[in-house]
Amino acid sequence: DIQMTQSPSSLSASVGDRVTITCRASRDISNSLAWFQQKPGKAPKSLIYGASGLQSGVPLRFSGSGSGTDFTLTISSLQPEDFATYYCQHYYDYPFTFGGGTKVEIK
Amino acid sequence: EVQLVESGGGLVQPGGSLRLSCAAAGFMLSDHYVDWVRQAPGKGLEWVGRSRNKANSYRPEFAASVKGRFTISRDASKNSVFLQMNSLKNEDTAVYYCARDRPGDPGVWDYWGLGTLVTVSS
Repeated sequence: DIQMTQSPSSLSASVGDRVTITCRASRDISNSLAWFQQKPGKAPKSLIYGASGLQSGVPLRFSGSGSGTDFTLTISSLQPEDFATYYCQHYYDYPFTFGGGTKVEIK
Repeated sequence: EVQLVESGGGLVQPGGSLRLSCAAAGFMLSDHYVDWVRQAPGKGLEWVGRSRNKANSYRPEFAASVKGRFTISRDASKNSVFLQMNSLKNEDTAVYYCARDRPGDPGVWDYWGLGTLVTVSS
């Protein structure tokens, strides 16, 4: 199975900050990577697909990059509604696996 | 409006069975792959399994942790997908979500349901 490693596991940031979360795959997954946002008690929300494609309705302050084994999710200017946990996930082959999550908290 | 609604969760004893439903509204579920993802209390996300679309004969895939215990079926007349869970274990306790693939992009999910809680406990 492909292992997905996210870092950091948590971070504190202020409104307006630029935030970057990284995700590393244990082997080459091309660009078969997605990012999700989850708020407490809520279902995940799809943000990014194909490593850099923005899901419909997702604000432009969210962006993704990378290919192969190393990927990043960037929030260009953190907004109050962005405080949440973020997960990466590969869909290169079965089984799909997720990173452990990055909790973005208010500084 | 596209919607997915899970139901069927509840409390079940270890070794018991439960069937979860994922009902779709606003689109034809048979055109889409559907995946089940779960989240144990306080933990991260875990992919459980998938049902391919009608064009791919609804062929399933499962995570090793549930293979042989869980099955997935569909009822086109109800525009629904079902997750049959047998031989349940304490570690199957989780919120179970269904998600559909982005049209034409089987690996990518665009819509998720709200989830249904399954608790396995004696």
